[in-house]
Amino acid sequence: DAGVTQSPTHLIKTRGQHVTLRCSPISGHKSVSWYQQVLGQGPQFIFQYYEKEERGRGNFPDRFSARQFPNYSSELNVNALLLGDSALYLCASSFGTSSYNEQFFGPGTRLTVL
Amino acid sequence: KNQVEQSPQSLIILEGKNCTLQCNYTVSPFSNLRWYKQDTGRGPVSLTIMTFSENTKSNGRYTATLDADTKQSSLHITASQLSDSASYICVVSLSGTYKYIFGTGTRLKVLA
Repeated sequence: DAGVTQSPTHLIKTRGQHVTLRCSPISGHKSVSWYQQVLGQGPQFIFQYYEKEERGRGNFPDRFSARQFPNYSSELNVNALLLGDSALYLCASSFGTSSYNEQFFGPGTRLTVL
Repeated sequence: KNQVEQSPQSLIILEGKNCTLQCNYTVSPFSNLRWYKQDTGRGPVSLTIMTFSENTKSNGRYTATLDADTKQSSLHITASQLSDSASYICVVSLSGTYKYIFGTGTRLKVLA
């Protein structure tokens, strides 16, 4: 069975540009969460989606948005990129939204903002 | 403030040796605590999960302990292997919420 997949694997953008990151969850998983991991730090929670609805949002500006599609895949959008947005963006899927449901992480998308 | 602190920040050991990583948390209300292993440039992979009523959980050469009274957890790695070189992240989830609080991790390097 395929695990969580993310695309692209690497991305280079310049300040002010917009970026869209994509995530496909494990088959049967209905919840997708997005995290930002700056080098040397632990992941920071951005969003959680379940059944196409936003269930939680971390402390990130409105430049960050996301959505979940009927097939449970998800997109993370970041507008007006800043140098500080350079990070590894991780997607995690789980069957439900309970904290007891194990989250399975994808390999991440490495975003570099120049 | 909900926080998870890990120590040491980094650790170098020789292959075959044991080591213990520490995690202290100030998270309330507590739901469960997980240890993840993250290889460089990859997503984290769950090693163990413990609720407040569990004080030890093993996964092969990895053994996690939890003291809910002192809000401390440890991850003990036995007979380390080169493939154990990675970051180990402690994650605490808040009861009744979607929120996970991640520690900054311990970077472990195992040398031959």
